[in-house]
Amino acid sequence: ETGVTQTPRHLVMGMTNKKSLKCEQHLGHNAMYWYKQSAKKPLELMFVYSLEERVENNSVPSRFSPECPNSSHLFLHLHTLQPEDSALYLCASSQEEGQNYEQYFGPGTRLTVT
Amino acid sequence: AQSVTQLGSHVSVSEGALVLLRCNYSSSVPPYLFWYVQYPNQGLQLLLKYTTGATLVKGINGFEAEFKKSETSFHLTKPSAHMSDAAEYFCAVSDDAGGTSYGKLTFGQGTILTVHP
Repeated sequence: ETGVTQTPRHLVMGMTNKKSLKCEQHLGHNAMYWYKQSAKKPLELMFVYSLEERVENNSVPSRFSPECPNSSHLFLHLHTLQPEDSALYLCASSQEEGQNYEQYFGPGTRLTVT
Repeated sequence: AQSVTQLGSHVSVSEGALVLLRCNYSSSVPPYLFWYVQYPNQGLQLLLKYTTGATLVKGINGFEAEFKKSETSFHLTKPSAHMSDAAEYFCAVSDDAGGTSYGKLTFGQGTILTVHP
């Protein structure tokens, strides 16, 4: 595998389910990000992990719970979601060196909450 | 606070015509600017970026963009559109005003490019 991978690519879940999204980066980066992409809205940054510590949490509801067990893996645990949470969830990674700030994105997980 | 405005949510061109996608930004410090492309059912792919140095930057697939500080713009161009260029394009800005060592990108709303035969 190369780059940033995300699984599953598609997920349909009921409002009472619990599921997890997985992201893995094969680039040796040390910062990882979760974004939400909804129709007709700009990308919304949800969480940032830098050196495996959560450094940013942009007022995301507690029904979204991130986890970063190591610098290569990032999870987004989901529970009791709402229909408005249906969106494309994108993971990205970057390397903290100088001021590069270039992020590499995975293909996303298309989430539908029924 | 930084922001990005992409003028035109939809742009339509004929194959072989000039592509021009507009991006204006606001930033309190010298910005880093990016253009990403997103094909259907895929993630975002970096087209090009401006950090420092030459203000005209060239990217993949024949795209280029020019950083104009006086106009706070970073418009994306391609001399001749190809059918495969049809996608959604995002402009993004990042700066280190927050003193962080990781990248914080602020994205524009996106522009959907349609290419007609």
